[in-house]
Amino acid sequence: DIQMTQSPSSLSASVGDRVTITCRASQSISTYLNWYQQKPGKAPKFLISAASSLQSGVPSRFSGSGSGTDFTLTISSLQPEDFAAYYCQQSYSSPPTFGQGTKVEIK
Amino acid sequence: QVQLVESGGGVVQPGGSLRLSCAASGFTFTKYGMHWVRQAPGMGLEWVAYIRSDGGHKDHADSVKGRFIISRDNSKNTLYLQMNSLRAEDTALYYCAKEDKDYGDYFAFSSWGQGTLVTVSS
Repeated sequence: DIQMTQSPSSLSASVGDRVTITCRASQSISTYLNWYQQKPGKAPKFLISAASSLQSGVPSRFSGSGSGTDFTLTISSLQPEDFAAYYCQQSYSSPPTFGQGTKVEIK
Repeated sequence: QVQLVESGGGVVQPGGSLRLSCAASGFTFTKYGMHWVRQAPGMGLEWVAYIRSDGGHKDHADSVKGRFIISRDNSKNTLYLQMNSLRAEDTALYYCAKEDKDYGDYFAFSSWGQGTLVTVSS
């Protein structure tokens, strides 16, 4: 199975800050990398597919990049509604696997 | 709009069984593969099982293989998860999720239900 490792596990940031979350795969997955946002008590929301394709309706302050084994999710200017947990997930091979999550908290 | 509504969760003793259902609407169910993904309390996301749009291919996580079976009824727009020989470590919120693209095995989860809670406890 492909292991996905996110860093950091949690971070504290202020509204307006630029936030970067890193995801590393245990082997090359090309750009078969997706990102999800999960708010407390809610189902995950699909943010980004294929490493960098923003889903419809997702604000442009979110962006994704990377290929191979190293990927990043960037929030250019953190908004109050962005405080949540973020998960990366590889769709290169079965079983699909998730990172352990990054919790973005208010500083 | 896509709507996925899970049901069937509850409290069950170790070794017991449950069948989860997921009623789908707002899209052409017969075109999309479907998944079950679970989340233990306070933990991350774990993929459980996948079934192709026509039901012709199924895949299960090693952690549930031989105990859980995914199925679908395309005439009822409904996804199922039969869970047998349940263990305490199966306690989780179980989500059904729709594939991102039609007619393929892409393993990207574009829409999610609200989840149904399964608690395995004596």
